[in-house]
Amino acid sequence: DQQVKQNSPSLSVQEGRISILNCDYTNSMFDYFLWYKKYPAEGPTFLISISSIKDKNEDGRFTVFLNKSAKHLSLHIVPSQPGDSAVYFCAAMYRGADGLTFGKGTHLIIQP
Amino acid sequence: GAVVSQHPSWVICKSGTSVKIECRSLDFQATTMFWYRQFPKQSLMLMATSNEGSKATYEQGVEKDKFLINHASLTLSTLTVTSAHPEDSSFYICSARVGAGVSDEQFFGPGTRLTVL
Repeated sequence: DQQVKQNSPSLSVQEGRISILNCDYTNSMFDYFLWYKKYPAEGPTFLISISSIKDKNEDGRFTVFLNKSAKHLSLHIVPSQPGDSAVYFCAAMYRGADGLTFGKGTHLIIQP
Repeated sequence: GAVVSQHPSWVICKSGTSVKIECRSLDFQATTMFWYRQFPKQSLMLMATSNEGSKATYEQGVEKDKFLINHASLTLSTLTVTSAHPEDSSFYICSARVGAGVSDEQFFGPGTRLTVL
């Protein structure tokens, strides 16, 4: 029973365009969401997060949108750069639980 | 930023042996460390939460007698896979959290690839 779902295993985007990575969740108790970026042979690194009391959070080229009614969040990267090529994990947590629940990840490939 | 290291980065062992994986926070003290496991093409699954000086809290379905966790100091947590079997082959990754709040950032180690023959 996967509580956090990333239905696109991979995504290819042209350099300079917008990359949109999607994530769906089923547990309505989740109240904090995070995106991590992972390069091969390295651990995930934190990218951006959003609390359930917000519907948008922006940090430079990265924006995360949260639609609570649809239990859906998305990460927008604009403009996409070659260094953005990596696996992106969506993660969620809720008060009372310490650990993160991860999606399977989406491999983003930025093409020149 | 905060750095978390893991040792070894990869290990191959025979079935029935035990393997210890170390997780260290190099430039900060971590009150809480987490251990995750990732099978191929699967998500990272939380195995246990480790608080310094106390017993680890294991997720449902994770055998605490098989996966021994020790968090003896604020900078070191160890995971010992006892009597390893081929189905334990996986990518084990730890993370460390600086604060006590659930939204405090977790910093991840690079992971350890375990292969049990």
